[in-house]
Amino acid sequence: SQQGEEDPQALSIQEGENATMNCSYKTSINNLQWYRQNSGRGLVHLILIRSNEREKHSGRLRVTLDTSKKSSSLLITASRAADTASYFCATMDSNYQLIWGAGTKLIIKP
Amino acid sequence: NAGVTQTPKFQVLKTGQSMTLQCAQDMNHEYMSWYRQDPGMGLRLIHYSVGAGITDQGEVPNGYNVSRSTTEDFPLRLLSAAPSQTSVYFCASSYSMAGNTIYFGEGSWLTVV
Repeated sequence: SQQGEEDPQALSIQEGENATMNCSYKTSINNLQWYRQNSGRGLVHLILIRSNEREKHSGRLRVTLDTSKKSSSLLITASRAADTASYFCATMDSNYQLIWGAGTKLIIKP
Repeated sequence: NAGVTQTPKFQVLKTGQSMTLQCAQDMNHEYMSWYRQDPGMGLRLIHYSVGAGITDQGEVPNGYNVSRSTTEDFPLRLLSAAPSQTSVYFCASSYSMAGNTIYFGEGSWLTVV
């Protein structure tokens, strides 16, 4: 079953613009994680945000978490061609099980 | 430091054949898992292990078998391949189940004809 659902499914922006992706989930969580997957490669961990945190930063990445709305957003500022990838959110429930969304495909146009 | 290593990268099987996908990690992680990734879907957990000698089923375990005889290795066996098992398979590991960064292998592309 799909817990995390990313929105939009696909996003195409110009290099230099900001990209925002959203993730919604259904049940209470222990933490929420964002991963990036380049075409034909494995997933790479970006950020983990715990249920008692509201915002985290890592370089050009900003993640917010709103547990009242059961949603999270990933913001990539000043996008680069190398940011072209699929981005996945995964929620960890109280049983430490990770449930993955279907991903947002991000295309950065030069 | 190799991280998580999966083999083979690509494999074509005939229906009914069996095979083993190999996974090894060199980070001394206790937790290892196998996922499959299908188009338009998120990763789905097949089997996982919280330590040597301990395995458990995930969301989609049917048709797959695992074992964990050492901390480093976690092979996934397809018992009798079916076209529905055509997918990309990822092995992953982390220090523990609870909220640690997960490290993924590069994936194994499996086609069952």
